[in-house]
Amino acid sequence: DTAVSQTPKYLVTQMGNDKSIKCEQNLGHDTMYWYKQDSKKFLKIMFSYNNKELIINETVPNRFSPKSPDKAHLNLHINSLELGDSAVYFCASSPYRGATPNYGYTFGSGTRLTVV
Amino acid sequence: EDKVVQSPLSLVVHEGDTVTLNCSYEVTNFRSLLWYKQEKKAPTFLFMLTSSGIEKKSGRLSSILDKKELFSILNITATQTGDSAIYLCAVEVPQAGTALIFGKGTTLSVSS
Repeated sequence: DTAVSQTPKYLVTQMGNDKSIKCEQNLGHDTMYWYKQDSKKFLKIMFSYNNKELIINETVPNRFSPKSPDKAHLNLHINSLELGDSAVYFCASSPYRGATPNYGYTFGSGTRLTVV
Repeated sequence: EDKVVQSPLSLVVHEGDTVTLNCSYEVTNFRSLLWYKQEKKAPTFLFMLTSSGIEKKSGRLSSILDKKELFSILNITATQTGDSAIYLCAVEVPQAGTALIFGKGTTLSVSS
């Protein structure tokens, strides 16, 4: 039973298109995150939601819009895709109080987005 | 600005060698430091460190934190080819909840 699951795993799309990535966690965690990993493997936080409320919004183009319909789901919608958006996007979750000694933050397996 | 610096950025060793990976940090507020291993997909959790001087150990891997000097090390003894991966260090900072600030990772290649 996957703890943090993302769909799709791969996404190839043309510049200018709009696409969404979905994330679900079954750990009962309060907080969910989107991270972007660039071609140099650098992971950087984009957004954080706690119980459906946006709490961290890093410097990300407003073409990226997260949505959390409930505390187990966090989706990422991207408008007008650009070549530079190509990356791996990871969803993660944690309890509200933060990382736990046995699990840290739990990451999904990632969505590899390629914009052509 | 909060930052986490890992060194070396890449390392090539032979099976059986012992390696030490370094992580230093400068953050305004600190909650914990985490180590992850990333192979092809999701980063997988290794250790969470909150107190100085207390070693965490799991098999051939161990890690320790120095909160005075603001660094941590990850040791891997008797390396195996399956240890080849990117090792990520992240500092957890309280930020309207918490967030992980990652270093750029150390790519370890173990040859047989």
